[in-house]
This record gives sequence, C-alpha cells and structure tokens, in this order.
Amino acid sequence: DADVTQTPRNRITKTGKRIMLECSQTKGHDRMYWYRQDPGLGLRLIYYSFDVKDINKGEISDGYSVSRQAQAKFSLSLESAIPNQTALYFCATSGTGRADEQFFGPGTRLTVL
Amino acid sequence: RKEVEQDPGPFNVPEGATVAFNCTYSNSASQSFFWYRQDCRKEPKLLMSVYSSGNEDGRFTAQLNRASQYISLLIRDSKLSDSATYLCVVRSGNTGKLIFGQGTTLQVKP
Repeated sequence: DADVTQTPRNRITKTGKRIMLECSQTKGHDRMYWYRQDPGLGLRLIYYSFDVKDINKGEISDGYSVSRQAQAKFSLSLESAIPNQTALYFCATSGTGRADEQFFGPGTRLTVL
Repeated sequence: RKEVEQDPGPFNVPEGATVAFNCTYSNSASQSFFWYRQDCRKEPKLLMSVYSSGNEDGRFTAQLNRASQYISLLIRDSKLSDSATYLCVVRSGNTGKLIFGQGTTLQVKP
C-alpha cells in the first residue's frame, strides 16, 4: 500500500463549486504539505502544517483553505473553484530534520470548467 | 527572478551519453539542496541530496557551488529509463519549506 494517498485522483468540476481534496499518510510524519503544479511553473506551495495544531500559508494560498484533522490527514478545499485553479495537486509529508526527504502522494488532477 | 532557475530543455541525448544539468538559486541563506526526479504525470521522488563536498550515487553525481549559488547533476552512461524531468530543489531557512525549480526534461533516445 502507498504511504501517501490522495483522493480523488481525477476530478472535473464547474466554476463556483466547492471541492475538497484529501490526503492520508501512513509514514507517521508530523509535517504535511499541499502543492500545485502547472506547466512551466514547477511546484508551488499552497499550505503546510508542521503538526495537528499548526497551519501555515504557502506562496499561493488565496482561494484555498486546509484542515489538519489528524496527524495522518490533511485536506485541501477550494471554496469556490475557478478555472485558473485547474492544475495537478500534490500532497507531501516529511520528517522534522532539515534534510528530511519529502514524500509525495500520486497527485490529483483537477479541472475546473 | 525565480528563486530557483533551471533550463527546461528538453535535452535529447543518445543512450550512453553523459549529460549535465545546472540550476541556480538566488537565496544565499539556502541550507539544503536536492535533485528530485519526476516521471510524466507521476509524483516527484527524491533522486539524491546534494552535499557541499559533492556526492555520487552510481551513474549520478551532484555538486554544489555555494559561492556561485549553483547546483549541478551529471548523469553518465545515460539509459532509456533515465528519461524524466529532473527538479532542482532548495530548502530556504529553517521553515522546512522547499522551493522547486520548474524542472529540466531529459529524453534519452535509443
């Protein structure tokens, strides 16, 4: 079984709809992250959480919110989806050391029409 | 200016060739450096960390030049399976946040 899972894997929705992307991990990591990836722009950090009580904005948090329900779960919401939120979304986890590797989920491909 | 810059390529090379990618970063306070590999439509995975003294893992060699603020990845004896996008990644400060370059695409041809 994968250590970091994301649901759904693909989603097509319409402008204005509320969407939730979910992430679960079995690695026992405290740190979790949400990124989006767009062609030519690389991965950009949306939100990150260093433990259940800690939530921080990344570089592109506008239009998004998150919830850290438990150490193993970190969900990303789009309150009112818009077409420029069409992207590939990745969840990641890491340990607490500076050089700790980040482990990524398989990604969610979101299309907003 | 992007904080981490890479030539997006693509680099098209024949099997067996040696190919090198460079990456520059703008924040001199950056503390950790990595190369990640991303296959098409898949998640990024750590290829190797980059240490100040340089490090090698089989056919892959990574080097860091702090004075010039660049990182390099050398792949020797390229295989078809090396075809992927290589992401240069820098950790800034003490936050644990990673900054990703846009990636360099490598296509190894038979």
